[in-house]
Amino acid sequence: SQELEQSPQSLIVQEGKNLTINCTSSKTLYGLYWYKQKYGEGLIFLMMLQKGGEEKSHEKITAKLDEKKQQSSLHITASQPSHAGIYLCGAVVDSNYQLIWGAGTKLIIKP
Amino acid sequence: DVKVTQSSRYLVKRTGEKVFLECVQDMDHENMFWYRQDPGLGLRLIYFSYDVKMKEKGDIPEGYSVSREKKERFSLILESASTNQTSMYLCASMLGSLETQYFGPGTRLLVL
Repeated sequence: SQELEQSPQSLIVQEGKNLTINCTSSKTLYGLYWYKQKYGEGLIFLMMLQKGGEEKSHEKITAKLDEKKQQSSLHITASQPSHAGIYLCGAVVDSNYQLIWGAGTKLIIKP
Repeated sequence: DVKVTQSSRYLVKRTGEKVFLECVQDMDHENMFWYRQDPGLGLRLIYFSYDVKMKEKGDIPEGYSVSREKKERFSLILESASTNQTSMYLCASMLGSLETQYFGPGTRLLVL
């Protein structure tokens, strides 16, 4: 099994609805990154969380870090077609530079 | 504005060919990375470099080599391409630990 589990693997949401994507680590989190990827393109940085309980927002996207659960959630409010894509979480789980990555969540927004 | 560029967006090669993928960053970052991305597997680290001429193996280095002769440039080399190396290749750079990794647009490689 993967060290960083993302759920769900895919999500189809009606435009305007809220949604949540989760990322759970099997190791202690030193930092947690969220990226978005448009199909066939590179990754765009969304947010990074470091401290337990930390919460960050950008436009309609909010990410939280639950350090005790070694989990982060990404919440999108009032989804729009522009939110469609693949969301990936990456985590720093030790003191080197490497990130481990989740497999990604494919988000489709139905008009 | 941060910029990571990759030499090709799409590449088609034949089995056995030598393939060069190049990545250039303009942020004076010490650290650069090569990943491959395959459906259902997420990003897997092939190699990374923390300084000029320094390289470290990632999780899946077999069949690949890298070169970092200048700080801004990190090349991935497939010595003898095989069909199982068909994938999306992503380059990234980062200033330091717990900093943001910036990604290039990716190269989609097809090996026939």
